Amino acid sequence: GIQVEQSPPDLILQEGANSTLRCNFSDSVNNLQWFHQNPWGQLINLFYIPSGTKQNGRLSATTVATERYSLLYISSSQTTDSGVYFCAVNSQGGSEKLVFGKGTKLTVNP
Amino acid sequence: DAGVTQSPTHLIKTRGQHVTLRCSPISGHKSVSWYQQVLGQGPQFIFQYYEKEERGRGNFPDRFSARQFPNYSSELNVNALLLGDSALYLCASSLDPHLRPYNEQFFGPGTRLTVL
Repeated sequence: GIQVEQSPPDLILQEGANSTLRCNFSDSVNNLQWFHQNPWGQLINLFYIPSGTKQNGRLSATTVATERYSLLYISSSQTTDSGVYFCAVNSQGGSEKLVFGKGTKLTVNP
Repeated sequence: DAGVTQSPTHLIKTRGQHVTLRCSPISGHKSVSWYQQVLGQGPQFIFQYYEKEERGRGNFPDRFSARQFPNYSSELNVNALLLGDSALYLCASSLDPHLRPYNEQFFGPGTRLTVL
């Protein structure tokens, strides 16, 4: 099945810093989503981005489907950005299930 | 508009017992999926239902079963609970799992199951 790798596994920033999170996947995808999981476990949808570029406030994401990777950019980070960021995909022509990476744990210090 | 809802929020059971978890999708969504997330890992797919039919099953034992009702809500049942079943159980819904962008999945707050 499709494999998803996220990097880095852990990231510690000072408030105001910028960061880039990466997601590599091993097959063509029909769906790629970025989530932020808060301390209570809720998965919050950040982007639906099987291809192209999107921006939402301080966050933006780019997926280069032909090269099988996606990037999540966080600018001017805030303490409330802390948590785990997951990339999840499902493969074209395959199961409709989402396959998640292991996540990037982001800690933003004041 | 209400998002995906799940009940109960927390649950404590003992080994060997049975548990039923419930999920209501976003209004208009016809697909429901279940995921298990153990501490420190990403969610793992358990089941997907679309239009009340099972469309996918993950690598979980037969102790796990699910169903979808005519109103598109869903139940996840786990029999003969083991300590290793302790996890956060997440439900997700989507409009149509086949078509972009309607296959975007939205998650509920989860049910945290503890097996003692």
